Amino acid sequence: QKEVEQDPGPLSVPEGAIVSLNCTYSNSAFQYFMWYRQYSRKGPELLMYTYSSGNKEDGRFTAQVDKSSKYISLFIRDSQPSDSATYLCALSPGGTSYGKLTFGQGTILTVHP
Amino acid sequence: GAVVSQHPSWVICKSGTSVKIECRSLDFQATTMFWYRQFPKQSLMLMATSNEGSKATYEQGVEKDKFLINHASLTLSTLTVTSAHPEDSSFYICSAPRASGVNDEQFFGPGTRLTVL
Repeated sequence: QKEVEQDPGPLSVPEGAIVSLNCTYSNSAFQYFMWYRQYSRKGPELLMYTYSSGNKEDGRFTAQVDKSSKYISLFIRDSQPSDSATYLCALSPGGTSYGKLTFGQGTILTVHP
Repeated sequence: GAVVSQHPSWVICKSGTSVKIECRSLDFQATTMFWYRQFPKQSLMLMATSNEGSKATYEQGVEKDKFLINHASLTLSTLTVTSAHPEDSSFYICSAPRASGVNDEQFFGPGTRLTVL
């Protein structure tokens, strides 16, 4: 079993739709949860960062963490064609190993006009 | 915002040659940097942690003699793929954390695409 599971998609939605992306994890040591966006042939770009259960909102993006279920989500409201990219969840145990991220497989998202 | 650069952005080499990839933090110092590898349509896999002034630490299954890491300064880490073979063809990405007092945000470089013929 992989430490982090993420549905690779691909996911195709019309412009304006609400997008839901999810990851599950098995290791309780993960304490920090991040979502990255990666465009083709580019490095990942940090979208959201959380370290506790609950919701965190930033513009059109909402990150949700449920530590009891080991389940994290990213919601994108009013999706735009420019949101088309691969979305990666990344988890970290924190402490001295904070920077050692374990990534999900990535979900390929296409938002069509 | 913080920027991490990589050079070269892409490289093609013959089998058996060595290739050096540079990772630089442009506006902050990084005592630690991380090297990841990403195969097509797969996620990023951590290869090693680069430590300024000391030896790198490698993840299980990563050959330290094949992937040489040198963290010569607080802004530069290099990854050398020695005696490269076609199976080493991949997208190599580095990251560097910048301490912000609240959390260390990881900034990723743009990646280096290596093709070994």
